[in-house]
Amino acid sequence: QVQLVESGGGVVQPGRSLRLSCAASGFTFNNYAMHWVRQAPGKGLEWVAGLSYDGSNKNYVDSVKGRFTVSRDNSKNTLYLQMNSLTAEDTAVYYCARPKAIAVALNWFDPWGQGTLVTVSS
Amino acid sequence: DIQLTQSPSFLSASIGDRVIITCRASQGITSFLAWYQQKPGKAPKLLIFAASTLQSGVPSRFSGSGSGTEFTLTISSLQPEDFATYYCQQLNSYPITFGQGTRLEIK
Repeated sequence: QVQLVESGGGVVQPGRSLRLSCAASGFTFNNYAMHWVRQAPGKGLEWVAGLSYDGSNKNYVDSVKGRFTVSRDNSKNTLYLQMNSLTAEDTAVYYCARPKAIAVALNWFDPWGQGTLVTVSS
Repeated sequence: DIQLTQSPSFLSASIGDRVIITCRASQGITSFLAWYQQKPGKAPKLLIFAASTLQSGVPSRFSGSGSGTEFTLTISSLQPEDFATYYCQQLNSYPITFGQGTRLEIK
């Protein structure tokens, strides 16, 4: 079945870096764009970044531009989110999500991973 | 950026009630709108896409309507498993944005 599994979360000090991974299975990964969405504790959903199926087109929410980098390794069926210069405001559960349609980045998200918690604290 | 405003933010209702949640966009997004359901500790689940198309496997008591700037999610007869938080999402343009959420609780 289609599955997304995030990993790499944890506790990190302000100003430090962390890399999240999202392992995909059950579908042809290199046919799909991918996205990261986060949810701060007790708060709503915030889209963070999106990446085209071939890695050539990247988009970010303003609050992470210049600090976060989305990438993918299609040979490993894995999506990444490199997060630098982390602040307390980046504390959240980070979900990876796949668009429902092949090759279209701006498309409804289904499925989602289970999420990985990132806590930025000294 | 396109802002999405959901109303109400909190809703208390009873089993069997008909519930309507509204999502208003700050500019026209044609039908590039989805609705998600999220339960505590779980990932969001796609309910409705393209404003009114029911995702496979979602009960028919859920329906969506609207286009342009005003959209609604209707639950025709609330069931115990429907108590959750609901979000709208626009995919008309980047940055992708979500509404602030509507928390639906049992009265």
